[in-house]
Amino acid sequence: GQQVMQIPQYQHVQEGEDFTTYCNSSTTLSNIQWYKQRPGGHPVFLIQLVKSGEVKKQKRLTFQFGEAKKNSSLHITATQTTDVGTYFCAGPSNNAGNMLTFGGGTRLMVKP
Amino acid sequence: GAGVSQSPSNKVTEKGKDVELRCDPISGHTALYWYRQSLGQGLEFLIYFQGNSAPDKSGLPSDRFSAERTGGSVSTLTIQRTQQEDSAVYLCASSFPLGYSGRPPDTQYFGPGTRLTVL
Repeated sequence: GQQVMQIPQYQHVQEGEDFTTYCNSSTTLSNIQWYKQRPGGHPVFLIQLVKSGEVKKQKRLTFQFGEAKKNSSLHITATQTTDVGTYFCAGPSNNAGNMLTFGGGTRLMVKP
Repeated sequence: GAGVSQSPSNKVTEKGKDVELRCDPISGHTALYWYRQSLGQGLEFLIYFQGNSAPDKSGLPSDRFSAERTGGSVSTLTIQRTQQEDSAVYLCASSFPLGYSGRPPDTQYFGPGTRLTVL
């Protein structure tokens, strides 16, 4: 079945350092979505990428969709304590309909 | 309401008891999903409702788990004869109809979750 994998599982960084999480799908995706879950909170949609090689930025966050549309990355420049949380990528499931397959998430911890 | 709501926010129960968890999706969202999240873990898909179609129950871990969606809106997840390993946060999400114009397809809006503790 379809698999979406993320690495690393955990990342500790010093405040001000950069951070990157990588997402890889076993199948080609029509789009990739990223969600953020703060500690004790619920996942919140961040962004969606659709085009091959697409790059989108949200302030210090840069999202990239691979040329083959099977991988994606999220890069945070100069992390802040507000960036703490778990970042999930998700792609449409092979099944018809609106289902998503979520990656396992990367938990980011930022030391002040 | 403005977002997905879930109740109760916390539920403590004794092993062997049945529990019902409720989800109110965003108005107009025809798709509804249930996930389970154990502490520090990822999202485990449980069940998916899309309009009037038969639900996708492929993620339900055992026959103790069931879910209903009445009138295409509110959903109830029922866990019978709860076990300690059922302890987790149960998240509900909803999304617009497939192909809804002006919105990214498949984007899911999550509720705050129900934290279930089975003693």
